[in-house]
Amino acid sequence: AQSVTQPDIHITVSEGASLELRCNYSYGATPYLFWYVQSPGQGLQLLLKYFSGDTLVQGIKGFEAEFKRSQSSFNLRKPSVHWSDAAEYFCAVDGDTGRRALTFGSGTRLQVQP
Amino acid sequence: GAVVSQHPSRVICKSGTSVKIECRSLDFQATTMFWYRQFPKQSLMLMATSNEGSKATYEQGVEKDKFLINHASLTLSTLTVTSAHPEDSSFYICSATPGEEKLFFGSGTQLSVL
Repeated sequence: AQSVTQPDIHITVSEGASLELRCNYSYGATPYLFWYVQSPGQGLQLLLKYFSGDTLVQGIKGFEAEFKRSQSSFNLRKPSVHWSDAAEYFCAVDGDTGRRALTFGSGTRLQVQP
Repeated sequence: GAVVSQHPSRVICKSGTSVKIECRSLDFQATTMFWYRQFPKQSLMLMATSNEGSKATYEQGVEKDKFLINHASLTLSTLTVTSAHPEDSSFYICSATPGEEKLFFGSGTQLSVL
């Protein structure tokens, strides 16, 4: 069965500092990969996704993620964090490509210090 | 852009009553919709896949008689939590796909059962 691991439950960074959120997946083939952000009590907003092609994916709000097949990873990065980036971040995979039923990681809560 | 509307956003009910949550695709036809559940400070777990005109497919461990799903049209899926109990209190969120590698999430429904 496919699985998604986000090893960092909670991360705190200073405003303006760089950010990397880790995501590893377990699946036989290359799944479709997603990063979502969720503010408290809110729905999900898609930051970026990877289906195929260029392994460095650009998303909204200055986020990017790099797919590394050899490491089964899809880490999310941002060069300079803003206070408004504080939220919960979820990595997700669609291993049954085309079905669109996602398996989510456990999430990483990001706090931003002034 | 495509929008998925979920209603209500928040509902409080008494134990033993039933609650219906609606998920609508506003500007596209969704042959498939998905229902997720999210407990506080946890990840989203897929509950079921809702297919227009056919029975829903439930994930292992999800009681189909308790969580009734109806997908009567290409733009509407409903989740009814029957005989709700406090342990059913959770954040429920739907997603819908119009195909073409696209997926959209609703804004979620916070259910509190007293």
